[in-house]
Amino acid sequence: KAGVTQTPRYLIKTRGQQVTLSCSPISGHRSVSWYQQTPGQGLQFLFEYFSETQRNKGNFPGRFSGRQFSNSRSEMNVSTLELGDSALYLCASSLEAGPYEQYFGPGTRLTVT
Amino acid sequence: GNSVTQMEGPVTLSEEAFLTINCTYTATGYPSLFWYVQYPGEGLQLLLKATKADDKGSNKGFEATYRKETTSFHLEKGSVQVSDSAVYFCALSERTGANSKLTFGKGITLSVRP
Repeated sequence: KAGVTQTPRYLIKTRGQQVTLSCSPISGHRSVSWYQQTPGQGLQFLFEYFSETQRNKGNFPGRFSGRQFSNSRSEMNVSTLELGDSALYLCASSLEAGPYEQYFGPGTRLTVT
Repeated sequence: GNSVTQMEGPVTLSEEAFLTINCTYTATGYPSLFWYVQYPGEGLQLLLKATKADDKGSNKGFEATYRKETTSFHLEKGSVQVSDSAVYFCALSERTGANSKLTFGKGITLSVRP
């Protein structure tokens, strides 16, 4: 069974631009979560989607948004990019919403210049 | 709120040495506990899990036991290999409600010398 895939793997953007990252979960998984990983803050939860509905949201500004499609694929968008948004963005999928183990993709490395 | 505390790193060991990485947690409910590993340039891989008190998770020679009385989930391996060099994260997920949020510790870098 194919794992979680994320595209693109690397991205360089300029401050003020916006960016969209994509995540395809493991087949059959309906829950998709997004995390931001930085050296200073570690791994921080962004949001979780289940059956196209946002079920949970972390403590990030409204510039960070996401959505999930009927095939469970998910996108996250960051508008008005700031230098501090440079990070590894990880997507994780799980079979159901709830305290089930999550399986992570390789991440998208975003660099904001 | 929930939190996970991992011992300070980095940790450097010689091959075949015994490994212990400490992890303690604070949670309001009855969390599931996980260890994830991240190799350079990759995402996180689930290493092992435990869903209730006294459960022991194990995988690839690694073990961790869910200790509710000490709120701990320490990771151990009897004999580490160079290929175990990676960053290790302890994490928890609440068991109540439809909440898939994982709360992570800061991670610890393990380097194993040949």
